[in-house]
Amino acid sequence: DIQMTQSPSSLSASVGDRVTITCQASQDISNYLNWYQQKPGKAPKLLIYDASNLETGVPSRFSGSGSGTDFTFTISTLQPEDIATYYCQQYDNLPFTFGPGTKVDIK
Amino acid sequence: QVQLQESGPGLVKPSQTLSLTCTVSGGSVSSGGFYWSWIRQHPGKGLEWIGYIYYSGNTYYNPSLKSRVTMSVDTSKNHFSLKLSSVTAADTAVYYCARDYRMDVWGQGTTVTVSS
Repeated sequence: DIQMTQSPSSLSASVGDRVTITCQASQDISNYLNWYQQKPGKAPKLLIYDASNLETGVPSRFSGSGSGTDFTFTISTLQPEDIATYYCQQYDNLPFTFGPGTKVDIK
Repeated sequence: QVQLQESGPGLVKPSQTLSLTCTVSGGSVSSGGFYWSWIRQHPGKGLEWIGYIYYSGNTYYNPSLKSRVTMSVDTSKNHFSLKLSSVTAADTAVYYCARDYRMDVWGQGTTVTVSS
């Protein structure tokens, strides 16, 4: 299985801050990577697909980049409603695997 | 737009079989060439992909659960299903269904507790 790691595991930032989360795959996954946002008690929501493509309807302050084994997810200007846990997920190899998540809250 | 809704018992006894259904509305389970996934989330933990099924019935199960998982699809009812046998307390989780590799559509999730 491809192992996905994320860092940090949690972070606190102020409204308006730029937030960056990294995701690393245990082997090359090209750009077959998605990013999800999960708020407490809710299902995950797709934000970014194919590493850098913004899902329809998702605010442009969210972005993703990277390929191969190293990926970055960025919130350009943190908003109060962005408080959530963020997961990366690879779909290059079966079984699909998720990162452990990064919990983002407001300082 | 397509919506998914999980349904099934919220309480299952140890050693029994967990059975869940995901009903597709606003679209067809057999159109678009989509794969239909099941994912679970243990309390306070991350996401675990259980496997997927194609409308034709082709499946792939996560090797970690393969010996206990069966998925099926019923195109006439526009739903797909998950069965997990020989459950233990470790199978207590929120179970989600989702569409395709991109998992762009998710059900709201259903909590399943394994307890006697």
